[in-house]
Amino acid sequence: QKEVEQDPGPLSVPEGAIVSLNCTYSNSAFQYFMWYRQYSRKGPELLMYTYSSGNKEDGRFTAQVDKSSKYISLFIRDSQPSDSATYLCAMRDSGTYKYIFGTGTRLKVLA
Amino acid sequence: EAGVAQSPRYKIIEKRQSVAFWCNPISGHATLYWYQQILGQGPKLLIQFQNNGVVDDSQLPKDRFSAERLKGVDSTLKIQPAKLEDSAVYLCASTTIGTGNLNEQFFGPGTRLTVL
Repeated sequence: QKEVEQDPGPLSVPEGAIVSLNCTYSNSAFQYFMWYRQYSRKGPELLMYTYSSGNKEDGRFTAQVDKSSKYISLFIRDSQPSDSATYLCAMRDSGTYKYIFGTGTRLKVLA
Repeated sequence: EAGVAQSPRYKIIEKRQSVAFWCNPISGHATLYWYQQILGQGPKLLIQFQNNGVVDDSQLPKDRFSAERLKGVDSTLKIQPAKLEDSAVYLCASTTIGTGNLNEQFFGPGTRLTVL
């Protein structure tokens, strides 16, 4: 079993839709939960992160962590064509600086 | 603030040849990572340095891959000899170190390697 599982997609949605992206994990030591966005032929860039459990909101983006279920989500409201990218979840425990990435979900928002 | 620099951006070689990639992290970042990202997959850690010491190289294929970080700044990753399955994007990332916060990873643009 992989430490982090993520549905690779692709996911196509119309402009304005609400998008839900998810990851599951197996390592209960993970404390930092991150979402990266990666445009084609670019390096990943951090979108937002959550420490331990709970929700975090930043504009149109909401990250949720449910440690009891070992499940994290990223919601994108009012999706835009510029949101079309690959979204990677990543996780890290608090004792090391080793990041474990999911496979990434490719998202396409259609105008 | 300048970002993480990588070169070359693209490289095409034949199998069994050797290749080297270079990374210059953000100034002051003590931790440097090399990742391999195969098409359709997430980044896989190859090696992690803290200053000029290796923290984790458990997933580095040491029979063909090597990496060094002299003086705790720039780093090079070498493959010798290359195999077809080494075709991937090689990403370099760096972070500060500290306690109580995330210490965000900043990625370079990557080097896209094609092995023919």
